[in-house]
Amino acid sequence: DAMVIQNPRYQVTQFGKPVTLSCSQTLNHNVMYWYQQKSSQAPKLLFHYYDKDFNNEADTPDNFQSRRPNTSFCFLDIRSPGLGDAAMYLCATSRTSGGSDIQYFGAGTRLSVL
Amino acid sequence: GQNIDQPTEMTATEGAIVQINCTYQTSGFNGLFWYQQHAGEAPTFLSYNVLDGLEEKGRFSSFLSRSKGYSYLLLKELQMKDSASYLCAVQDSNYQLIWGAGTKLIIKP
Repeated sequence: DAMVIQNPRYQVTQFGKPVTLSCSQTLNHNVMYWYQQKSSQAPKLLFHYYDKDFNNEADTPDNFQSRRPNTSFCFLDIRSPGLGDAAMYLCATSRTSGGSDIQYFGAGTRLSVL
Repeated sequence: GQNIDQPTEMTATEGAIVQINCTYQTSGFNGLFWYQQHAGEAPTFLSYNVLDGLEEKGRFSSFLSRSKGYSYLLLKELQMKDSASYLCAVQDSNYQLIWGAGTKLIIKP
């Protein structure tokens, strides 16, 4: 059974049209992460939450925002998608943010921008 | 800056053994992870090393040398389903994961 669920799997949007990606987890983990991954590149951390504490990476563009209304759900909002935002967006969770805690990933949402 | 280096691509034969290397330079070290990622799918956890030495898990083993900033993932008895990208990630002093770009492994019959 999927433990980190991302919807939708594929999202097509138009240049400048806001889009929201969602992630839910059944693991009851404290930490949730949003990554952007482009083809043949390393995953790039955009945000992470430790419980409700929000952490924005220094180089995450202002165009990206995130919400975590409760332990189970997290959303990624892209306010005005550009062509350069086309990528795979990965949600991950971990029990804590330290030590040997494994990050568990969802299947990802592939975003296309037309 | 923080840096993880892995070969971009490797090719191996079904049934053989392959070693994928990873070197790192990070601000501190709190552990090293290997993940497998099939094309278009999410990364899945393979192994974790925090102490020097070899960790064996079935067909897969991972080695760490902290003094050399070096790790490798060893895959034995290769199967076609092992064709994937293998990502090395290091946890720095802030427990943030620094990711490599991954090594694409191509298995030939």
